[in-house]
Formats: sequence, structure tokens, C-alpha cells
Amino acid sequence: DTAVSQTPKYLVTQMGNDKSIKCEQNLGHDTMYWYKQDSKKFLKIMFSYNNKELIINETVPNRFSPKSPDKAHLNLHINSLELGDSAVYFCASSQVGHTDTQYFGPGTRLTVL
Amino acid sequence: RKEVEQDPGPFNVPEGATVAFNCTYSNSASQSFFWYRQDCRKEPKLLMSVYSSGNEDGRFTAQLNRASQYISLLIRDSKLSDSATYLCVVTTPGSGGYNKLIFGAGTRLAVHP
Repeated sequence: DTAVSQTPKYLVTQMGNDKSIKCEQNLGHDTMYWYKQDSKKFLKIMFSYNNKELIINETVPNRFSPKSPDKAHLNLHINSLELGDSAVYFCASSQVGHTDTQYFGPGTRLTVL
Repeated sequence: RKEVEQDPGPFNVPEGATVAFNCTYSNSASQSFFWYRQDCRKEPKLLMSVYSSGNEDGRFTAQLNRASQYISLLIRDSKLSDSATYLCVVTTPGSGGYNKLIFGAGTRLAVHP
């Protein structure tokens, strides 16, 4: 009965590789998000989708490409991974009009070697 | 200047102590205000919203001063289980009429016996 789930939980990979992180929510929410939390613990929004449509796209390198096959899923694909991409990536969801109450997934800890 | 600033702490307090956290935000267009809690290596979770009139939830009291762009959180009778990082969060208008959450870096609280 997990609300927001992410896979994998840990990801260790070499520089230059391409990797994907998957997110699914079973809350019936229309809006989903990707956040990055770096080593200094700042949590910053990267993308937001509302009912499969991109609505927020912060200044993120275009190596990062989100994909929403349906409103319950928001995946993040990262090309040509760099050392600076090492961070914890959190997926979240909320109801439309309730941006404040976001439910976060458990996070994916990405380490780029 | 960071959009949301918090004292990083850590605040080391004994059980039963009262502790207060402060937060300032820079964008006067910010509309909603919250405290989230993040346990070590876990996802952030909404603790409480913050209203201008002040609001209380058990041992937790939150206050907002819009004129000073200042938010506070008071925890009374601290418990060991209160040990966590407390994130000050504001919503600001994003593109297309969608708000986005801006997180502070968090204040770490450690409650000891």
C-alpha cells in the first residue's frame, strides 16, 4: 500500500553512462515532481508534470529528460552521467490545486564514480 | 541570497526542552508556508502549514510574519523522536500559474536523554 514508490533505491554507476529512475504513485494525484537533494541537503525542484503535461522545468541540463507515460508514473532518464549528478533524487505527487501537500517517495541515492 | 534561509544547527537539546527554529524568505510574492520534517536518509514529510494568525498542533506551534518575511516553529516538551531535520518551505508562483515549493536547507535537531 505504498503511496509513492521509486526504483531503484540505490544506483551506483560510472561517468558517461545513461540511467533511468522510475516513480509511481497510487494516490490518484494528477501532479508529479522530481526533486534533487545534493550533498548540502538543499532540496530543489527539477520538473513537474500535471496529467502527463510538463508544467515546471527548472534550469536543468538537457541530459535530464522526464517522461510521463500516464498520470501515475513519472520517470527520469539521465544521459552521460557526470560526477556532479551524484545526489538523492526524490519523486513526489500532489493533487491539482494542492501544491503544498506533496507526498514524497523514499528517494533514489545516485552515486556516479 | 538564498530564497529560504534557515540556521542549519544542529540544535542539541535535552528531552523536555523547548526549542525554536527561525526561517526567512526573500520573495514577497510567496503565498503559502510550511514546515516539513525529514528524518535521516528518509523523504520529507509535511509537518504543518503556517498561517499569519499562528497555528498549533499539539506540542508544535508555527508563526508567520509576512511583513518581516519570517517564519518560526516552536517545539515544546521535546521528545527523542523529534530528532530530525526541519525544513522551512514556501510556495512561489511558477510559470503557467502553477506554484512551486522552495525548500530551505533545513535545521537539524538532536534531542538527547
